[in-house]
Amino acid sequence: QVQLKESGPGLVQPSQTLSLTCTVSGLSLTSNSVSWIRQPPGKGLEWMGVIWSNGGTDYNSAIKSRLSISRDTSKSQVFLKMNSLQTEDTAMYFCARTTAPHFDYWGQGVMVTVSS
Amino acid sequence: DIQMTQSPASLSASLGETVTIECRASEDIYNGLAWYQQKPGKSPQLLIYNANSLHTGVPSRFSGSGSGTQYSLKINSLQSEDVASYFCQQYYDYPPWTFGGGTKLELK
Repeated sequence: QVQLKESGPGLVQPSQTLSLTCTVSGLSLTSNSVSWIRQPPGKGLEWMGVIWSNGGTDYNSAIKSRLSISRDTSKSQVFLKMNSLQTEDTAMYFCARTTAPHFDYWGQGVMVTVSS
Repeated sequence: DIQMTQSPASLSASLGETVTIECRASEDIYNGLAWYQQKPGKSPQLLIYNANSLHTGVPSRFSGSGSGTQYSLKINSLQSEDVASYFCQQYYDYPPWTFGGGTKLELK
């Protein structure tokens, strides 16, 4: 069955770079697209960006200058890198399969806290 | 960017009641709308897509409707397992795809 799982550091210092990995199973990244979505504690959802099945990417313009999404299809992994982190980047980060395009399968999420 | 406004922000209802949650888009999104349910401590789960299509495995007491800029999610015969937050999402226009602020549903 389709599964996605996020991994990465729980704590990042301000101004540093966040690196997260989404490992998928039950689907091929060459025929499926994956988005990153985040949720600050107690708040709503923010779509960050998508890597399409053809390897192209689209980003939320609000964070585009700080964000990069890439993948390794041989390892079934999607990567998120975001630089210049601030406290307002503290959030739960989810990866989700993107179909049609809504989000039909989600990972469990990884909590990232930005603090010194 | 298309802004999505959900109402109410919170809602308290009794078991067996019918509940309706509204979502308004800042411009016509031509039925490009999905609804998600998020239980405490869990990731969101897709309920409805294309404004009124039920995702696989979702109970039939959930339904979606609307057009243009106004959409709604209805839950018939509320069950205890429906206690959750609900979010709408537009995907007509991108980037970015945008979400509503959420509705927290509790039991009365």
